[in-house]
Amino acid sequence: EVQLVESGGGLVQPGGSLRLSCSASGFTFSSYYMNWVRQAPGKGLEWVSSISETGYGLYYGDSVKGRFTISRDNAKDSLYLQMSSLTAEDTAVYYCTRGWSGPDYWGQGTLVTVSS
Amino acid sequence: DVEMTQSPFSLPVTLGQPASISCRSSQSLVSSDGNTYLNWLHQRPGQSPRRLILRVSERDFGVPDRISGSGSGTDFTLKISRVEAEDVGIYYCMQGTHWPRTFGQGTKVEIK
Repeated sequence: EVQLVESGGGLVQPGGSLRLSCSASGFTFSSYYMNWVRQAPGKGLEWVSSISETGYGLYYGDSVKGRFTISRDNAKDSLYLQMSSLTAEDTAVYYCTRGWSGPDYWGQGTLVTVSS
Repeated sequence: DVEMTQSPFSLPVTLGQPASISCRSSQSLVSSDGNTYLNWLHQRPGQSPRRLILRVSERDFGVPDRISGSGSGTDFTLKISRVEAEDVGIYYCMQGTHWPRTFGQGTKVEIK
């Protein structure tokens, strides 16, 4: 069974940093693009970032470019999102998802709240 | 960026009746490999989204055949032939052809 389990969310002050993690199981992690998608409270879905199977292909949404860094460790079946210079607009549930052209599996999400 | 526009924003439906959601993209979603990477996702209240449809019309495993997708180029439609209670929630279209990936704003389906 495919499982994606996010962790690392929490309350952070504006301007602060946070690192999200996603632990994957039930499939060959190194064979899939992985993504982060977020959803602000009561709002729609926003694609954040994607990383290729090898980690060499990196893609970012305009709203996070230069502030967020996606990475992966295929030996640990794990996906990461390093977030810095956080603002209130980054407050959202962050989902770890699998797939290149359309996420077929989603984690349960981890809530990031940016507030003083 | 490719803009995805869904309509309607809200869709009250009667159980057993059909429902239809439209999604239009600002650019063609036909990829250089010939595929059209248009997905439909469903999010029930309090749950993570779930993909229903990939590549315009292919149903994911376990999706009932009363749910179907159609369209081409820039115009796409999700249809539910007979709405059931489990169909309530928000439906999103999402394009996977161009970077950055983009979602429609969502269509809320509720029972009348």
